Amino acid sequence: AQKITQTQPGMFVQEKEAVTLDCTYDTSDQSYGLFWYKQPSSGEMIFLIYQGSYDEQNATEGRYSLNFQKARKSANLVISASQLGDSAMYFCAMRETPNQAGTALIFGKGTTLSVSS
Amino acid sequence: GAVVSQHPSWVICKSGTSVKIECRSLDFQATTMFWYRQFPKQSLMLMATSNEGSKATYEQGVEKDKFLINHASLTLSTLTVTSAHPEDSSFYICSASKQGFPDTQYFGPGTRLTVL
Repeated sequence: AQKITQTQPGMFVQEKEAVTLDCTYDTSDQSYGLFWYKQPSSGEMIFLIYQGSYDEQNATEGRYSLNFQKARKSANLVISASQLGDSAMYFCAMRETPNQAGTALIFGKGTTLSVSS
Repeated sequence: GAVVSQHPSWVICKSGTSVKIECRSLDFQATTMFWYRQFPKQSLMLMATSNEGSKATYEQGVEKDKFLINHASLTLSTLTVTSAHPEDSSFYICSASKQGFPDTQYFGPGTRLTVL
């Protein structure tokens, strides 16, 4: 079974609108971390936002917020006021046992976001 | 900040040759580095976990004799693709965790390998 599921291969949004990118995860661990990364066409992985499983409040970073629903095991990324530069591939990822730095991330298949003017 | 560099950023080689890719943490010490592989329009797949001073841990299906990983210091890990073939053409990305900051993982800019 997939640990990270991103069901939207592609999303389209107009400038200045908000968009939600879906992510569900599967883990039996009580302690885990959830990440969102942006990958533009250049290939670099840009860290956007992090949510720990014990964090009670949803994480926010500027125009990015994470809608964390633990019981539903979902960690959707909300981008407010979309900009043309937001067009990229977006990956949801999870690290189980987040207190151990030696644990790799597990990535979803990604969602391609296209922002139009 | 925490910066991870990779060298080279792209490389083209002939089939049968070996290619070495370097991953460096420039301003922090990384006891653990990770190597991922990404095919076009696909996700990142973990290849191996590299710990300083010890043998790398490879994921199932990754040939350790083909993808040699060396983590000689706290700031440098290398991936050598031996006897490369066209099917090894891919985007290789490394990442590193910063000591004391397990919630983050810093990625290098990636290396695009093309094997002719």
